[in-house]
Amino acid sequence: AQSVTQPDIHITVSEGASLELRCNYSYGATPYLFWYVQSPGQGLQLLLKYFSGDTLVQGIKGFEAEFKRSQSSFNLRKPSVHWSDAAEYFCVFTGGGNKLTFGTGTQLKVEL
Amino acid sequence: KAGVTQTPRYLIKTRGQQVTLSCSPISGHRSVSWYQQTPGQGLQFLFEYFSETQRNKGNFPGRFSGRQFSNSRSEMNVSTLELGDSALYLCASNPPGQGYNEQFFGPGTRLTVL
Repeated sequence: AQSVTQPDIHITVSEGASLELRCNYSYGATPYLFWYVQSPGQGLQLLLKYFSGDTLVQGIKGFEAEFKRSQSSFNLRKPSVHWSDAAEYFCVFTGGGNKLTFGTGTQLKVEL
Repeated sequence: KAGVTQTPRYLIKTRGQQVTLSCSPISGHRSVSWYQQTPGQGLQFLFEYFSETQRNKGNFPGRFSGRQFSNSRSEMNVSTLELGDSALYLCASNPPGQGYNEQFFGPGTRLTVL
């Protein structure tokens, strides 16, 4: 079955610290992978996407993610977290087309 | 360029009633997807409409239905509401073109079933 797994439901980091959010996928071919962020009152916003090519992708707000086929992972990283990054982050998958499969989400809390 | 519009933003209904939600996609986008977000089940795909035709469907009962009009606006309907239908319903506007493109999400409609 096609799926994405986010093992961490909640993560707390201090402002200025680095961040890594984990995502694992299950799919027989190369997937289309995304990270979306959802903030209260802001709706869902795309941070970055991976289709093919370079395995390290850069996104908005200083985020990046690395696709590792051998580990079936697509972890999201940020070198220095800002208080405004507190939100819920979703790893998202599609095998093609507009039907997105969302992970369960990771709630990020930033301590000042 | 105007974003995705969803109306109403909030709704309160009672069990057994039916409800209709509306979504206006970004101008030029002919595909609209609908998602349900609940604390227990997370974000789940309901269906996608393209050029007034349902192109894809998720695993939801027949009480959930949708349609799309010639101007690309879409509506979804839930009949015989159940408590478990309380959720945030999100609409996504999908750009044209081959392959996959970013989906643009609306602010959602918060449905509460009492």
